[in-house]
Amino acid sequence: EAGVAQSPRYKIIEKRQSVAFWCNPISGHATLYWYQQILGQGPKLLIQFQNNGVVDDSQLPKDRFSAERLKGVDSTLKIQPAKLEDSAVYLCASSLSHSKNIQYFGAGTRLSVL
Amino acid sequence: GENVEQHPSTLSVQEGDSAVIKCTYSDSASNYFPWYKQELGKGPQLIIDIRSNVGEKKDQRIAVTLNKTAKHFSLHITETQPEDSAVYFCAASRRLDGQNFVFGPGTRLSVLP
Repeated sequence: EAGVAQSPRYKIIEKRQSVAFWCNPISGHATLYWYQQILGQGPKLLIQFQNNGVVDDSQLPKDRFSAERLKGVDSTLKIQPAKLEDSAVYLCASSLSHSKNIQYFGAGTRLSVL
Repeated sequence: GENVEQHPSTLSVQEGDSAVIKCTYSDSASNYFPWYKQELGKGPQLIIDIRSNVGEKKDQRIAVTLNKTAKHFSLHITETQPEDSAVYFCAASRRLDGQNFVFGPGTRLSVLP
């Protein structure tokens, strides 16, 4: 089966600019996650969707980060405006449902903010 | 909230030797502990997991042990091979369905031929 698809793979922007990342989860997976992975650290959950509803966004910096999953399939994560400390790999993961624990990760988008 | 520590941060072993990575967690209510392997340029991939009602689990060359009293769990890789070289992350979750993972900082394992 196809895995979690993310694009772009790399993005370089200047601080205060905006950027958006796209994720297409594994077909049929109801739960979708966005993680931020800073160099040398483990992934940190930003937001979790169950279908098109938000389950957990407690660690999402809502003043600059937003995410949506309008039709319960694809998702976009946006940063506006970006700061230097946003430089990281943004990982998308999906799981079959909230009751199925295996999360499958995409390859991520590496963001560099200059 | 949950805090997961992981040691060592880097580990080099000779091919064929064993490797052990240890993690500790702070939330005694955590009950699900997965291990992920991340190769360069790829996303993390689940390699083994353990639930709090089990003390040990093995899958071929990989095993995980859990000590709930001490709040620590370990990954054991035997007969290491060069393709085992990667960054390994442990994680802990309070919910049996594995949501809301808190990841450790990772261990970079290098298997030297």
